[in-house]
Amino acid sequence: GESVGLHLPTLSVQEGDNSIINCAYSNSASDYFIWYKQESGKGPQFIIDIRSNMDKRQGQRVTVLLNKTVKHLSLQIAATQPGDSAVYFCAENIGNFNKFYFGSGTKLNVKP
Amino acid sequence: DVKVTQSSRYLVKRTGEKVFLECVQDMDHENMFWYRQDPGLGLRLIYFSYDVKMKEKGDIPEGYSVSREKKERFSLILESASTNQTSMYLCASTLSRVVAGELFFGEGSRLTVL
Repeated sequence: GESVGLHLPTLSVQEGDNSIINCAYSNSASDYFIWYKQESGKGPQFIIDIRSNMDKRQGQRVTVLLNKTVKHLSLQIAATQPGDSAVYFCAENIGNFNKFYFGSGTKLNVKP
Repeated sequence: DVKVTQSSRYLVKRTGEKVFLECVQDMDHENMFWYRQDPGLGLRLIYFSYDVKMKEKGDIPEGYSVSREKKERFSLILESASTNQTSMYLCASTLSRVVAGELFFGEGSRLTVL
């Protein structure tokens, strides 16, 4: 399944499928990006980050892709599990006191 | 592990009351931030502080003030709470104000103003 971030706030996938969550960022000068996961009633948790000198970074079951040409970031989750159900949002660092700006998020719903 | 602790998880206040939200981090981070989170609007920056006694306005500072008397503690103050300040408030910190690095969040304080 694929989401277009702000324009499709909910993504439903079947357990075991791969998920792709997208994010368009705003500032071409942004040089550091983070994906966060937020479960209901909890604070955001760090998933994976990437700096602007890279276009891909992999973690455990997750991959982040950065396309600076079109200012686009994506999070791929392999073999999605029910525990992955949460809201996911991207954050871009614009430098200047290490401030971040955030997308409004995509809700991932994993069906068993 | 870095821990950012928000002392109150849930608060209910009346319009006009003064509200204090406290945040403590235990890893000697320079930068601390207060965000509010509302459905469909994402996280919006209220205030941040890059050093003791220093504060900078974020994108939505109106109706709020902050205090950073000690490096580990950053307080958000609502001088006279209003119903439109009902929200989830998130405190966060980063190690450095210069080098981009992970933003660590607390668990949030859900404030309801009646």
